[in-house]
Parts: sequence; structure tokens; C-alpha cells
Amino acid sequence: ILNVEQSPQSLHVQEGDSTNFTCSFPSSNFYALHWYRWETAKSPEALFVMTLNGDEKKKGRISATLNTKEGYSYLYIKGSQPEDSATYLCASHPADSWGKFQFGAGTQVVVTP
Amino acid sequence: DVKVTQSSRYLVKRTGEKVFLECVQDMDHENMFWYRQDPGLGLRLIYFSYDVKMKEKGDIPEGYSVSREKKERFSLILESASTNQTSMYLCASSLTQGGGTEAFFGQGTRLTVV
Repeated sequence: ILNVEQSPQSLHVQEGDSTNFTCSFPSSNFYALHWYRWETAKSPEALFVMTLNGDEKKKGRISATLNTKEGYSYLYIKGSQPEDSATYLCASHPADSWGKFQFGAGTQVVVTP
Repeated sequence: DVKVTQSSRYLVKRTGEKVFLECVQDMDHENMFWYRQDPGLGLRLIYFSYDVKMKEKGDIPEGYSVSREKKERFSLILESASTNQTSMYLCASSLTQGGGTEAFFGQGTRLTVV
């Protein structure tokens, strides 16, 4: 059973469209939430590290929000491009178990021209 | 450019073999991690190390051991490989162990045990 749930599991997006997806995590004992992008045949790369309730972070056309009270984070992609095609992973880190990240299964995004 | 390098991209081993997966990082990070990734599941933590010769069990340590003799190198050992250890293995490192800094990942080793 995954404590960290990501939805949807996969989605197809037309080039130019915007999209968003969700990461749900245990709200109790929370310390940090990470987002990673994992492109095929490459290493996962960090997008955001978020710790504060209400945090909003942005990197180019990608942004993320964090709600620690209800235990969810949204990742948004504005004006999707084919190079955004990847699996997006979120990981929750608890406050009392150093190093014990809990990863979701990922959302696979396919952007078609 | 920061780097985490895993020794092999693909490995095929026989059941019962002792298997070594090597990981090297060049960022002087204290913390290193080994995960496995299986379809439909998130990355699952096998072991992590927060200092040379120090290790902590993750969520699925059974059938694995680790070695960290030098700060830059973290090895995962499958004592007697079994078919249910066929998986993608990812190594990662991070500056702090508290989750406040990003992890840097290697490219992964796809291990097949036959």
C-alpha cells in the first residue's frame, strides 16, 4: 500500500494545452515534499522541494503548490511541449524518519504534437 | 555538473549469484540511497547511508546488504540473487538527510535475474 498516491496514473496532452495532476501524502508528521521529472533513459531530476504550507514554486512553464494541512500537492504544466513528456514523481519526507522518503508511483505524461 | 554514476546500465545474472551494484557520486554528499522501482509501485527504499560505514535499513532490505567504505561510493549487494529481485535499481545522493534538499539520481541499473 502506497502512502503517497499520485493521480492520474497517466495522461495524454495535446501540445500547447495545459494540464495538472495530484500528489496526495500523509498530512501528519510531514516535513518535505519533492517533485522529480523522469524522462525515458535518463535519471530522475529534481523539480521542486517544498516544505511550507501554501508554498508555490515555479520553474519555467512548470509550477507546483503545496497544502500540508490536507496532504496534497498539485503540479501544473502550462502550454505543454513534447519535451515535457516524462514520468513525474512526488516523494514525501516525514519529520521523524530521516532519509525515509515515500515515493508515489508517478504520473506518466505524454505530450503529442 | 553534479553526477551520480552507477556502474552498469543493464545486468543479467543467474539465480544464486552474488551481485554487486556500484554507485559513485562526486558531490561530497553525506547521504546515499538505494531504491528499486517496479511497475505500478513507487521507488522503494532498500538501504541508505548517512556517513561512511553507517547504514540504515529502508522499507525492503531483505535479501540485500550495502557497503560504504568511502564517502563517494555506495554498493548494493544481492547476497544470493533471486528472480523476484529482477528490477530497476536507482542510486541517489543528497546533501542533507532531512529531506530539505533535493536528491540526485544515477541513471539506473536494470537487473534481470534468470
